[in-house]
Amino acid sequence: AQTVTQSQPEMSVQEAETVTLSCTYDTSESDYYLFWYKQPPSRQMILVIRQEAYKQQNATENRFSVNFQKAAKSFSLKISDSQLGDAAMYFCAYRLYSGGGADGLTFGKGTHLIIQP
Amino acid sequence: DTGVSQNPRHKITKRGQNVTFRCDPISEHNRLYWYRQTLGQGPEFLTYFQNEAQLEKSRLLSDRFSAERPKGSFSTLEIQRTEQGDSAMYLCASSSGQGLRGYTFGSGTRLTVV
Repeated sequence: AQTVTQSQPEMSVQEAETVTLSCTYDTSESDYYLFWYKQPPSRQMILVIRQEAYKQQNATENRFSVNFQKAAKSFSLKISDSQLGDAAMYFCAYRLYSGGGADGLTFGKGTHLIIQP
Repeated sequence: DTGVSQNPRHKITKRGQNVTFRCDPISEHNRLYWYRQTLGQGPEFLTYFQNEAQLEKSRLLSDRFSAERPKGSFSTLEIQRTEQGDSAMYLCASSSGQGLRGYTFGSGTRLTVV
């Protein structure tokens, strides 16, 4: 079974600084997708960024970028120029690309990101 | 389209009662997912539908849980004979195709069993 580990229960960063959230996963598969989701307090979960495992190039979405190390099974999220609105729980998630069953996302336990003004 | 809608937002019930939650996905999305999230944990997959067909169920989905998606539109998740351990946030998500571009989540239904 696939597992996703987020080793940082909580991270704190000064506004405008850069922070990196860690994620490792365990799988024996070669084709899969990785995601970072953001869950603000009492609000719905929002997709931040996604990465296809077959792509070597790291995904980037504005201030958000990932460092995907397939061999190390590591998928960290870097947030540049942190803003107060970035404060939230961040979840790393894995999804097998199967074209059929095993369709659900496997989530880590999350990292609570605090932005210090 | 207002996104994925879940009702009710909160539900308090007594142990042993039955509860039903509703999820209205984005209209053009053919896949619908249910997840459960307990305090301090990430969401855990429960089940998903492609149109009206329920294609996969997690081992977390005991016999007391049943989900339906009649006509491939909205979905309901029913929990019979609720237990205190059922207290959690129940999240619904939808996607188009295989969901490889990510899911759109609803705001969830928070269930408290007393």
